[in-house]
Amino acid sequence: KAGVTQTPRYLIKTRGQQVTLSCSPISGHRSVSWYQQTPGQGLQFLFEYFSETQRNKGNFPGRFSGRQFSNSRSEMNVSTLELGDSALYLCASSDTGASYEQYFGPGTRLTVT
Amino acid sequence: KNEVEQSPQNLTAQEGEFITINCSYSVGISALHWLQQHPGGGIVSLFMLSSGKKKHGRLIATINIQEKHSSLHITASHPRDSAVYICAVRDAGGTSYGKLTFGQGTILTVHP
Repeated sequence: KAGVTQTPRYLIKTRGQQVTLSCSPISGHRSVSWYQQTPGQGLQFLFEYFSETQRNKGNFPGRFSGRQFSNSRSEMNVSTLELGDSALYLCASSDTGASYEQYFGPGTRLTVT
Repeated sequence: KNEVEQSPQNLTAQEGEFITINCSYSVGISALHWLQQHPGGGIVSLFMLSSGKKKHGRLIATINIQEKHSSLHITASHPRDSAVYICAVRDAGGTSYGKLTFGQGTILTVHP
């Protein structure tokens, strides 16, 4: 089976712009979780989607949003980008949920200038 | 105080040494994960534990639910084990979903 894929791998945006990141889970996996990793805060949970429904979300402002499609592919969107949004954004898929073994994608490195 | 604390933050070892990384947490949990992250960002899930002990090759993970503590051991360490090791917990929400809370990671460097 192919692993979790994320596109794009690298992205440079300007403050105030918006960005959409994409994640394709392992075939058959219905859960997709998103995480933000920064040097200062480490890994932080953004949200989890399961069968097109958001099941849980972390403590991030409303500028961070996501969705999941019927084929389990997921997107996350960040509006009105701030310098502090520069981070590695990782998604992980699981066949059942975030408490079960997760398979991580390579991440998208977002730089906001 | 963070909900998940790892120690040490940095660890340097010589090839062949036995290594232990510790993880303590302050909330009730239903699962604990050990993750490995190599330079460049890729994360691999090593173990998921809810009780007892698991072994995979040279890696051993243990958890003590009563003491809220887990350890990751690497026997006969090798330079390719150099990576960041991250502990993550899921709180005891009683469902199969839920957010993970992560430790700050332990940077392991193994010298030949």
